[in-house]
Amino acid sequence: AQKITQTQPGMFVQEKEAVTLDCTYDTSDPSYGLFWYKQPSSGEMIFLIYQGSYDQQNATEGRYSLNFQKARKSANLVISASQLGDSAMYFCAMREGASNFGNEKLTFGTGTRLTIIP
Amino acid sequence: EAQVTQNPRYLITVTGKKLTVTCSQNMNHEYMSWYRQDPGLGLRQIYYSMNVEVTDKGDVPEGYKVSRKEKRNFPLILESPSPNQTSLYFCASSPSAGPRETQYFGPGTRLLVL
Repeated sequence: AQKITQTQPGMFVQEKEAVTLDCTYDTSDPSYGLFWYKQPSSGEMIFLIYQGSYDQQNATEGRYSLNFQKARKSANLVISASQLGDSAMYFCAMREGASNFGNEKLTFGTGTRLTIIP
Repeated sequence: EAQVTQNPRYLITVTGKKLTVTCSQNMNHEYMSWYRQDPGLGLRQIYYSMNVEVTDKGDVPEGYKVSRKEKRNFPLILESPSPNQTSLYFCASSPSAGPRETQYFGPGTRLLVL
């Protein structure tokens, strides 16, 4: 079974609109971290936002917020007031705790390609 | 500036010619890792290191070697590259190996093996 599922291969959004990128995850670990990364066409992986499994509040970082619904195992990224520079590939990733003790590697989803239309 | 650096950024080589991709971080991080990114397969872990002299295999270690002699450096060695190792490679580091620790990535190395 996929540990991280991103069901939207591509999205087109009008500039200045808000956009939600979906991410669901699968783990039996009580302790885990969820991360979103942005990969522009230049190729680098840019960390955007983090949500811990024990965090009570949804994470926010500037225009980025994470809609964390633990019972549904979803961690959707919300970008408010989208800009042309937001056009990129977005990856959801998870870092598990106990089951990977000693190597809490990142497990990535397949990504969503977001295109912002002027 | 806190960062992870990789060199070279782009490399074209031929089958069998040994190469090394360097990775260095200036954040005093204990955990370092190598990933490769391939279309349709996403990012997969090659090797990781918990600390100096402590390394172990990830999901796709065949054809690769690593070493961690200093905390800041984690080179990836391809002893005899083959075309199926053509990929985009990322080095990443985090303060430790905990599930809450953010991994920060280098800029990537695009490798083409002919």
